[in-house]
Amino acid sequence: EAQVTQNPRYLITVTGKKLTVTCSQNMNHEYMSWYRQDPGLGLRQIYYSMNVEVTDKGDVPEGYKVSRKEKRNFPLILESPSPNQTSLYFCASTPIRTLENLGGANVLTFGAGSRLTVL
Amino acid sequence: GENVEQHPSTLSVQEGDSAVIKCTYSDSASNYFPWYKQELGKGPQLIIDIRSNVGEKKDQRIAVTLNKTAKHFSLHITETQPEDSAVYFCAASIPGGFQKLVFGTGTRLLVSP
Repeated sequence: EAQVTQNPRYLITVTGKKLTVTCSQNMNHEYMSWYRQDPGLGLRQIYYSMNVEVTDKGDVPEGYKVSRKEKRNFPLILESPSPNQTSLYFCASTPIRTLENLGGANVLTFGAGSRLTVL
Repeated sequence: GENVEQHPSTLSVQEGDSAVIKCTYSDSASNYFPWYKQELGKGPQLIIDIRSNVGEKKDQRIAVTLNKTAKHFSLHITETQPEDSAVYFCAASIPGGFQKLVFGTGTRLLVSP
């Protein structure tokens, strides 16, 4: 089954304790992205990657790191989590193809989400 | 930059009624407008999208309309069913980059039997 898999799905941690949320896709997609979802704010992009070893900041990158060493994996790293990073996180992916014909955007496939609480 | 406003934030309807969710965007160069449905405990899933060269698109009970002049687009769900209950997000693309989307703040739709 084509899917984006995130782990863990739920995590409660304490301020300052480094954590990693993993994301893996089995669709050979070039593009991967992380979003956070907060009440009243919708989905906001944290980081994205156009391909292996190519990453870039989204709209709210502060406090996060990412890496893209393999095409299928795109982990989100919180080096020193703080309470304001308590949120619902989504990883998503999409293929990069015929950008001109598609107007520069494709359908995103999202993971099921990771709910993070930082105390 | 692009700003997307979505209304209402909550919408309650009776089964069988129609539901309409509206979004406005600020950048007239935006050219792609998807709608995602997020069911409880799941990630958002695309239900319909429209590109700027089209004014309306339908898929069974759902439809999206786009008014480029007024810079707004709407999701229409007819004959609503309890399984339509979910959070719906609109989005608009930011021109000049790949997959740069700005999402609305979401609408929680509740369909009562």
